[in-house]
Amino acid sequence: EAQVTQNPRYLITVTGKKLTVTCSQNMNHEYMSWYRQDPGLGLRQIYYSMNVEVTDKGDVPEGYKVSRKEKRNFPLILESPSPNQTSLYFCASSQTSRRTEQYFGPGTRLTVT
Amino acid sequence: QQPVQSPQAVILREGEDAVINCSSSKALYSVHWYRQKHGEAPVFLMILLKGGEQKGHDKISASFNEKKQQSSLYLTASQLSYSGTYFCGTEIGGGSNYKLTFGKGTLLTVNP
Repeated sequence: EAQVTQNPRYLITVTGKKLTVTCSQNMNHEYMSWYRQDPGLGLRQIYYSMNVEVTDKGDVPEGYKVSRKEKRNFPLILESPSPNQTSLYFCASSQTSRRTEQYFGPGTRLTVT
Repeated sequence: QQPVQSPQAVILREGEDAVINCSSSKALYSVHWYRQKHGEAPVFLMILLKGGEQKGHDKISASFNEKKQQSSLYLTASQLSYSGTYFCGTEIGGGSNYKLTFGKGTLLTVNP
């Protein structure tokens, strides 16, 4: 089944404790992206990747890191999480960079205390 | 720059029609529409490309007015299953890097 998976689905952590949210897709998609969703603010792009080893900042990249060493994986790293990074995170992928639909993962709800 | 969606929320009775608008202050290359049901991930509805085309998906269609930098999503004879938050995503220009920027969403509630 074609899908985007994220792990963990729920995470409660403390300020400053490094964490990684994994994202994997099995559709051989070139393009992958991370979004955060906050009430009243919609979906805001954190980082995106056009292909392996090619990443770029989205609209809200501060406090996040990403890497794209393999085509299928695009982990999101929070080196020193802070409470303002409490949010719902979505990973998405698409076949190419434009003109194609994005497939979203199920989401990761992160709480930083 | 985040596109502006209107209205922010709309309540319908089953069978009624609705229009959701999405506008940008910059020239658009493409517009995406997604629907998100409560507690779920956004799901793709359609993409419209520069050129003013109109697309349809069952009883949901959309238009793209390139000159006005805006797109409208039309929901006709709404069904209970149409309830959810609708997001437009816009791509500005046609540069080498691709960034899709979503609006804040429009909450659509369809009541029996």
